[in-house]
Amino acid sequence: GQNIDQPTEMTATEGAIVQINCTYQTSGFNGLFWYQQHAGEAPTFLSYNVLDGLEEKGRFSSFLSRSKGYSYLLLKELQMKDSASYLCAVLDYKLSFGAGTTVTVRA
Amino acid sequence: NAGVTQTPKFRILKIGQSMTLQCTQDMNHNYMYWYRQDPGMGLKLIYYSVGAGITDKGEVPNGYNVSRSTTEDFPLRLELAAPSQTSVYFCASKRPGQGETQYFGPGTRLLVL
Repeated sequence: GQNIDQPTEMTATEGAIVQINCTYQTSGFNGLFWYQQHAGEAPTFLSYNVLDGLEEKGRFSSFLSRSKGYSYLLLKELQMKDSASYLCAVLDYKLSFGAGTTVTVRA
Repeated sequence: NAGVTQTPKFRILKIGQSMTLQCTQDMNHNYMYWYRQDPGMGLKLIYYSVGAGITDKGEVPNGYNVSRSTTEDFPLRLELAAPSQTSVYFCASKRPGQGETQYFGPGTRLLVL
C-alpha cells in the first residue's frame, strides 16, 4: 500500500519562499510528481523526480531523497496566483496522491 | 488540441438513478484514468485503461463500471447512485512511459441526493 503525507495548509506573504514537504512509504517507486490545483480546476503538472537531487524550473524547484522517502516543492518569489493546492503523487504501477497542501499567499 | 474533455460539468442525481460520465481525449494517448476527489482526501483511482479493449480496477472501483471501445473515449458508468458517490470526478490520460505526466480533464461535479 501507499502512505503519502503532506501538510494540510500553509500561508505565506507575496514575494516570500515556501517549502512544501512530502513523505511517503510505498511498496514500489518509479518517480514522484508534483501537481498544482487551483480551486475548482483540474490538477496541472509541475515536476517529476525519479533520481535523488534538486530539479529547478523557474520559480519552482523539487527535491527528492529516495532513501529517506522524502520530497519537497520549493516555491520562490511567491505571487498571488500561486494560491492553490499542491499535490504530491508517487508512482509505482499507478499514481497515488497525497491529500494536498493548500497554500494561501497574502499581500 | 482540446486535450481531455469531460461532460457534464455538473449533475444532480437521485439515489438509485444511473448515469454515464463522458471522457474524451484527442492526444492519441493509450493510457486513461478515472479518479474521484473528495474534500481533504486527495485523488483516488477508480478504474484505468492501458488501451482500447483493456480496463482494470483501481483503488475504489465498487459502484462503477467502465468501457474502452476506442482510444479516444473512456466513459464511467454509475449504475445505482448512492450519496457516497457525491464527489468530483476527474478523467486523465497519458502517453506510455513512467516519466510521462497525466493530463487531467476539467472534472464533473456530481451530487447524489
